[in-house]
Parts: sequence; C-alpha cells; structure tokens
Amino acid sequence: QSALTQPPSASGSPGQSVTISCTGTSSDVGGYNYVSWYQQHPGKAPKLMIYDVSERPSGVPDRFSGSKSGNTASLTVSGLQAEDEADYYCSSYAGSNNYVFGTGTKVTVL
Amino acid sequence: QVQLVESGGGVVQPGRSLRLSCEASGFTFSGYGMHWVRQAPGKGLEWVAFISDDGSYKYSVDSMKGRLAISRDNSRNTLYMQLNSLRTEDTAVYYCARDRATHFDCWGQGTLVTVSS
Repeated sequence: QSALTQPPSASGSPGQSVTISCTGTSSDVGGYNYVSWYQQHPGKAPKLMIYDVSERPSGVPDRFSGSKSGNTASLTVSGLQAEDEADYYCSSYAGSNNYVFGTGTKVTVL
Repeated sequence: QVQLVESGGGVVQPGRSLRLSCEASGFTFSGYGMHWVRQAPGKGLEWVAFISDDGSYKYSVDSMKGRLAISRDNSRNTLYMQLNSLRTEDTAVYYCARDRATHFDCWGQGTLVTVSS
C-alpha cells in the first residue's frame, strides 16, 4: 500500500487560509468517505482534526475544514494562527482492514 | 480523560525481540479496538496493526506480517505488541491509538524503539 501524496510544505500569513491536498487512488481516498486529518507538533503525538472527510471532533476549531473530490481530499485551515504551525497528515481506510497515511505537510505561519 | 501511555521501547540489537505495552485509562478499554502506528525519525506515520475490542480480530501491515504479534489484556486495560526479528528499519516511535472504525481518535505519547548494533 503506497502512502498518500501530500505537498511537503504549505504556508500562509496569520489570518490567511491554507489548503493541503491529499491524493490517493480509487482503492483508498476515492473508494471510501473515510479520510481523516491529524495535526502533529514537534515531539508530540498526532491529534485528530477531521474525520470522515469533513467531520470535526468536539474541541477542534471550526477554522479547520475538510473536503474530497474523487481521489483527492483537502484540509483547509482558515484564519491561520501561530499555533496552527505543525505537520499535518491525512489518512484513509484502504479496504481489507488496512489504513494508509499521507506523506505529511509542514505548515508554516509566516 | 482518555489517556494512553506506551512503554517498553529502548535500544535493541538487530534480530532481537521487544514487547511494547500501552496502558489505557479514562474509558472502557474493552469496548474499543486499538491500533499501533509508527513513525520513523523525521518520517511520516505508518499504520502497523489493529486488534478488535475482544481480541478476536487482528490485522497488520504486510511488511511486518510474521514478525509482530498484537494482543490485549482487557482485565489490565493494556494493549501489547511483540516485535520479533527486529531490523534497523523498524527504528521508530511507536504510538498506540484508539479505533473509531474509520479513524484514530486518541493517541498515546509514543515509545521509541531503536534497532542498532
């Protein structure tokens, strides 16, 4: 199972929006509405930000939103804040009780 | 609150074995499936293995099949993973995470396994 493809980096100024893509195949991202997104600060554990493409867990700011079209999912962070600077990983169910993660995107707040 | 605490990592020689543990608290452990996910230094996340709430179903990534055994003791609220025939490429932080079928909603802080001679 190959990792999902994410851009290595993305950036934006405070208050701006940044969108991260996550490209897979019809066997994972395109085949299921089970894409999730995780935020990871350096040296910390990942934190769930979005699940089932666009659902937000309680406690996650509504500045974070998710979407999907075909084999590509996207995470948008609106109104960027300094604390949003982190690595972001997408993940998808890939069938046959397998899960696959994305390659990761480092978001920098300029 | 939900807490997952991994332990058992360390430095091990290639070919040796190691058992990792993940102690859960703050929720009904026996009601949830659990996963192991690993992250090599400076690299991305990789799903490793899953065990169902009662331990009857177990799945693992193809690259580690035959070298790992996932288990759990619901009476001790603890998840385990036995790693055998360790290779240098198994060097990583190993996280346990709670299953919500389509995603992982809570994660431990991780335990570092370093495979080196």
